[in-house]
Amino acid sequence: DADVTQTPRNRITKTGKRIMLECSQTKGHDRMYWYRQDPGLGLRLIYYSFDVKDINKGEISDGYSVSRQAQAKFSLSLESAIPNQTALYFCATSDPLGGSYGYTFGSGTRLTVV
Amino acid sequence: GDSVTQMEGPVTLSEEACLTINCTYTATGYPSLFWYVQYPGEGLQLLLKATKADDKGSNKGFEATYRKETTSFHLEKGSVQVSDSAVYFCALSEPAQGAQKLVFGQGTRLTINP
Repeated sequence: DADVTQTPRNRITKTGKRIMLECSQTKGHDRMYWYRQDPGLGLRLIYYSFDVKDINKGEISDGYSVSRQAQAKFSLSLESAIPNQTALYFCATSDPLGGSYGYTFGSGTRLTVV
Repeated sequence: GDSVTQMEGPVTLSEEACLTINCTYTATGYPSLFWYVQYPGEGLQLLLKATKADDKGSNKGFEATYRKETTSFHLEKGSVQVSDSAVYFCALSEPAQGAQKLVFGQGTRLTINP
């Protein structure tokens, strides 16, 4: 099994629908992250969580919400999807030093909002 | 705030050519620097890292040296292969700030032709 698993891998949804992207990790790390990738913009941080009770907004959190159900699970929700949320979404986890030894990324969820 | 700037892509080279992908950064403290690689259809993987000035990270024939005086972390490889075709991301994290989030450059798409 992969260290970080994201589901679904691909999703097409309609404008206005609520959608949840799920992420689970087997690294045993407390720190988890959601990033969004757009062509030419690199990856931008949506939300991050340093433990189950600690959730923080990233640079582009508007229109998104998250839930940290357990140490291993971190879900991202789009409350009312809009077309400019079409992107590739990545979940990641990092070591206790906050990534000094690198982050571990999932394979991504490609979301299309029509 | 912190930022990372990479050279514009895409970059197309012939097999066995020399590669340099430029990366410069802006940071308030003493960041750790990373190169991540994204192969087609996959998530990001840590390629190499450096945590202090003059450190050289290396992996799979790639190298990058942390240059504090020029705030740079250029990625180099002496002889590229077709299998090196991917998107490369330069990134930094600043543990001293407590947030310890990764900040990414926009990515550089590399294509190696046989």
